[in-house]
Amino acid sequence: AQTVTQSQPEMSVQEAETVTLSCTYDTSESDYYLFWYKQPPSRQMILVIRQEAYKQQNATENRFSVNFQKAAKSFSLKISDSQLGDAAMYFCAYVSMKTSYDKVIFGPGTSLSVIP
Amino acid sequence: GAVVSQHPSRVICKSGTSVKIECRSLDFQATTMFWYRQFPKKSLMLMATSNEGSKATYEQGVEKDKFLINHASLTLSTLTVTSAHPEDSSFYICSARTGTGRFHSPLHFGNGTRLTVT
Repeated sequence: AQTVTQSQPEMSVQEAETVTLSCTYDTSESDYYLFWYKQPPSRQMILVIRQEAYKQQNATENRFSVNFQKAAKSFSLKISDSQLGDAAMYFCAYVSMKTSYDKVIFGPGTSLSVIP
Repeated sequence: GAVVSQHPSRVICKSGTSVKIECRSLDFQATTMFWYRQFPKKSLMLMATSNEGSKATYEQGVEKDKFLINHASLTLSTLTVTSAHPEDSSFYICSARTGTGRFHSPLHFGNGTRLTVT
């Protein structure tokens, strides 16, 4: 079974600085997607960025970028120029394209604090 | 963008009663919806996959007789917590995907329902 691990339960970053959140996953499959979701105090889940496993190029979305290392099964999220609104729980997520139900597996989450 | 509406956002009920939570896709059709449960400061745990017009698929350890799921149309799935007990108190979140297939689209989430059983 696939698993997603986030080894940093809590992280903090100074406003305007850069922070990297770690994520590793375990799978025997080659075709899958990876996501980072953000959950602010409102509890609304918000998609931050996604990566297709068949693409070698790392995904970027404005201040958010990933470092996808398929062989190492690593998928870290880098937040540049951190803003107060970035404070939230961040969940790394995996979905296999092999299963018919497209089940998404979430990591345990990293709580990010942004210090003014 | 795709919007998923979940109702109610908060509900308090007495032990032994049943509670229904609705999840609607407002501007797209969702043949599949997902129900998650989230404990405080924890991750999302998939409870079941709701399929339009067929029975839901429950994850291991989830009581299907306690958590009834009905996906009667392409835009509505409901989760009914039957004979609720205090241990059922939690945050429940539904989600849906706008597309399927290789060009995978991400999940769109409802705002969640905080259930408190007294």
